[in-house]
Amino acid sequence: QVQLQQSGPGLVKPSQTLSLTCAISGDSVSSISAAWNWIRQSPSRGLEWLGRTYYRTKWYNDYAVSVKSRIIINPDTSKNQLSLHLKSVTPEDTAVYYCARDPKGWGYMDVWGKGTTVTVSS
Amino acid sequence: SYELTQPPSVSVSPGQTASITCSGDKLGNKYACWYQQKPGQSPVLVIYQDTKRPSGIPERFSGSNSGNTATLTISGTQAMDEADYYCQAWDSSTGGFGGGTKLTVL
Repeated sequence: QVQLQQSGPGLVKPSQTLSLTCAISGDSVSSISAAWNWIRQSPSRGLEWLGRTYYRTKWYNDYAVSVKSRIIINPDTSKNQLSLHLKSVTPEDTAVYYCARDPKGWGYMDVWGKGTTVTVSS
Repeated sequence: SYELTQPPSVSVSPGQTASITCSGDKLGNKYACWYQQKPGQSPVLVIYQDTKRPSGIPERFSGSNSGNTATLTISGTQAMDEADYYCQAWDSSTGGFGGGTKLTVL
């Protein structure tokens, strides 16, 4: 049974970097079929896909245009986890952040983490 | 990002059929999927690749996708189906979600 355990701070100051981790059990971040996604949800923006990382003989990343200049998603094969780093945050980045697995890289997400509420405030 | 449009709300009586639409440019040429989300919970996949149900999802959930519109249909709707529903599709390696539809079972 695949499980995703999220961790990271719930409060980030404006202009700083938001960093979250998603630990994977029951699957591998290096899987040659899966893709690993970050999504956020806020009342104003609804569900918003942020980006993904996946391995297919080499590592690939795709990012949403809205955050492309500020986001990095990194796999950590030694810990079987992925991380999200979002730079220069503003209050508009306040949201619940989820990691999720796409089992075949075909665009649907079958396992989600429980979500991390992140507030951007001084 | 790829823009998908859903009605904000749909109401249905118990036992009746609920239909939730999702519109996007040439959506029928892409795969659509649907998620159910209840308050305080993470989204749950209920339909993927337009028509497929993950294991554990009741048969009353079905999907279709043609032209510019994907549809989630819930037959014999039950009170437990009251939730927010989101469609999702991909365009040029970027994902997009619909704005969500609140399904009320009256």
